[in-house]
Amino acid sequence: DTAVSQTPKYLVTQMGNDKSIKCEQNLGHDTMYWYKQDSKKFLKIMFSYNNKELIINETVPNRFSPKSPDKAHLNLHINSLELGDSAVYFCASGRKGAKSPLHFGNGTRLTVT
Amino acid sequence: DQQVKQNSPSLSVQEGRISILNCDYTNSMFDYFLWYKKYPAEGPTFLISISSIKDKNEDGRFTVFLNKSAKHLSLHIVPSQPGDSAVYFCAASLTGGGNKLTFGTGTQLKVEL
Repeated sequence: DTAVSQTPKYLVTQMGNDKSIKCEQNLGHDTMYWYKQDSKKFLKIMFSYNNKELIINETVPNRFSPKSPDKAHLNLHINSLELGDSAVYFCASGRKGAKSPLHFGNGTRLTVT
Repeated sequence: DQQVKQNSPSLSVQEGRISILNCDYTNSMFDYFLWYKKYPAEGPTFLISISSIKDKNEDGRFTVFLNKSAKHLSLHIVPSQPGDSAVYFCAASLTGGGNKLTFGTGTQLKVEL
């Protein structure tokens, strides 16, 4: 049973395209996150949703739009893809307000050509 | 401005010996610290955590030490095993931050036979 699953695992696309990454968690957590790991391996938060409400929105281009249909799902849609968007994107889930660890998916490697 | 730093990008240790991974932070508001382990093509996996009210937490072969005055924490693995070879990330969060984790850049640990 995969606790946090994201699809697809690999995504290769051309500049200017629009793409989506899906994430689902079955841990019963109320908060989900998107993190980006860049070419320098630095993991940085992008967004966080708590019970379908956006609570963290770091400085991310508005081409990136998260969508949470319910608290078990958080999808990431990216418009007009650019070369610099190439990275590994990790979904995570946890409990807001609790000192508890986040659980991560296995990542989606996005390559923009 | 990197608030969590891991100054050693890599560490090599012999099997059976102790591995010590270090992490420094600059934000004195951080009150919860975690270590994650990451294998290639997988997401970070939670290893061990410590609250700022403690200075040590132990779980089997893994011990985390926190020195708040020095804003420094370390992860000790003893005895080290070849399966421990992975990238280790230090992370921190603060109360009221939505359980958002701020990560260090990681240390690649290699345990040699």
